[in-house]
Amino acid sequence: AQTVTQSQPEMSVQEAETVTLSCTYDTSENNYYLFWYKQPPSRQMILVIRQEAYKQQNATENRFSVNFQKAAKSFSLKISDSQLGDTAMYFCAFPGGSEKLVFGKGTKLTVNP
Amino acid sequence: DSGVTQTPKHLITATGQRVTLRCSPRSGDLSVYWYQQSLDQGLQFLIQYYNGEERAKGNILERFSAQQFPDLHSELNLSSLELGDSALYFCASSPSIYSYNEQFFGPGTRLTVL
Repeated sequence: AQTVTQSQPEMSVQEAETVTLSCTYDTSENNYYLFWYKQPPSRQMILVIRQEAYKQQNATENRFSVNFQKAAKSFSLKISDSQLGDTAMYFCAFPGGSEKLVFGKGTKLTVNP
Repeated sequence: DSGVTQTPKHLITATGQRVTLRCSPRSGDLSVYWYQQSLDQGLQFLIQYYNGEERAKGNILERFSAQQFPDLHSELNLSSLELGDSALYFCASSPSIYSYNEQFFGPGTRLTVL
């Protein structure tokens, strides 16, 4: 069964600094997609970034980028120039068979002024 | 705003009762997913429908059932409620069945069982 592990339950960062959230996963598939979702205090789940496993290039969305290491099954999220609005729970997710998403336990990120 | 709507936003009920949660997917999306988010279990997939047909099942209890109607809205029915069913229930939708599709989440229904 596919599993997703986020080893950092909580992290904090100062405004304007950079932070990296870790995620590892387990799969026997070769072609797949990986996602980072953000859940702010409003509880809304918002897609932050998506990575296609067959692409060598790491995905980037403005201040958000990933470091995807397929052989190591690692998919970390880097947030640059952190802003107060980045305070949220961050979930790494992976399509675990069929099309459902398997989520990690999440990392609670606090951005301090 | 994701375009996915869920009603009600909050629901407070007693043990043993039955409730129905409703979801309207984004316009044009054929797939609907239900997830449960609780403190101890995290985000767990419950069930998926595609164009009216059940497509995948996760750790959904027998006391729970769902359906997707011809207009593509979906309902999740929870019966014989227990304290442990208290959670945030999300509905998500996507255009198709493919795993590369982003799933768009609704705002969730907060269920409290007393």
